Formats: sequence, C-alpha cells, structure tokens
Amino acid sequence: GNSVTQMEGPVTLSEEAFLTINCTYTATGYPSLFWYVQYPGEGLQLLLKATKADDKGSNKGFEATYRKETTSFHLEKGSVQVSDSAVYFCALSDPGGNTPLVFGKGTRLSVIA
Amino acid sequence: DAGITQSPRHKVTETGTPVTLRCHQTENHRYMYWYRQDPGHGLRLIHYSYGVKDTDKGEVSDGYSVSRSKTEDFLLTLESATSSQTSVYFCAHTGDSNQPQHFGDGTRLSIL
Repeated sequence: GNSVTQMEGPVTLSEEAFLTINCTYTATGYPSLFWYVQYPGEGLQLLLKATKADDKGSNKGFEATYRKETTSFHLEKGSVQVSDSAVYFCALSDPGGNTPLVFGKGTRLSVIA
Repeated sequence: DAGITQSPRHKVTETGTPVTLRCHQTENHRYMYWYRQDPGHGLRLIHYSYGVKDTDKGEVSDGYSVSRSKTEDFLLTLESATSSQTSVYFCAHTGDSNQPQHFGDGTRLSIL
C-alpha cells in the first residue's frame, strides 16, 4: 500500500541555518504530495502542496519539489527562524476512491537563537 | 479559520466511562476524519466518513465508534474509555479526498 517515510527527528538548528527535512514515498499511480506544519498546542496546517511530477510547492520561504524519479518530496528553507519551530508532516493522497491521506510520522524542528 | 471546531477542547474522565467527542464543520464538506496523536506514533487514523451515514475504519478503530447523521457533524465515541485511549484527538475535513484536509485544534483527553 501507499506509505510515507520521513527523516527521524528531532532536528535542532541555529537561527538562519539551512533546513532540509527528507520525505520519500511509495505509491501507485500519481499521488498529490503535501507538507503540513503543527505549532505547539495547535492542529495541523497545510504548508504547501504539489500535484504532479516536477511541481514545486512553496509558502513562507519553504519549498518542496515533487520528484517522481526518486519518489521524494523534501522540504527545504534557506534561513530558518525561531518561529519555524514546529512539527512537520509529509503526506500523500491516493488518487482513487475515498482513501484518506497517508501521513508520515512527523519531524520535530527546534530552532535556537 | 479552517471552518472546523472540536468540543470539548479538554476532558478528564475515568476508566470505563463513555466519552463522546464532537467535530463540527461549516464548509459543507463531504469527507471528515478522526485521528489520534501520540508521541512516537505521529497521526493515526481512527475512522473516517465519506458522506452522511457513510463511515469506514482506519488503522486504530478498536474501541471507537463514529456517527455522522448530518454533513456538518462527526461524532467519535469511546464506549468504555481505557487509559490507552489517553491522547490528543484531531478532526479534519475536506471536500475532495485528494485535496488537503483542514484540521481542528484538537481535544486533549485524559483517562484516569
């Protein structure tokens, strides 16, 4: 079945450092891919998405490119801020039927000043 | 505003008691979901609904039941709560199963 694998956390970075959070997937067909962010005490919020191969999703300085050849959707940001401290989830959709999104286990990011 | 509210936001109860969590959405969306979130496990799907009175099980459905009698409301019931069901519960909705889900702020449930 479909699955998503994220890098294990926690990830701790200094402010202004470069961020990469790896996400790879296994899926049949052509899923859409998503990154969600969860700030402390809140629900998940959509950060960005990509719906087909080579699409780049971007939002708030974060980017991720849908790479079908490597089945990856890595999240990147050039210069992180303390306010980016959160848990990040990669997810994919099954393009057929009513099947819910499949989520990775999440990666906790802590950014220190 | 994701057009979704969960109630209650916090609840403490005792083992063996019934508990019902409510999820209400204002977007007239077809799909609704219940998840639990626990350290080390990420998000795990409990049950979901793809229309009024249409529901299906997720990966951790044992001990939980759901009902959806109206488009806007999706109820999660723990018939006889156990300490292993202490968790944070999230509800989500979407108009299309291939599109992003919109999440509520969660219910923190403690079962003593």
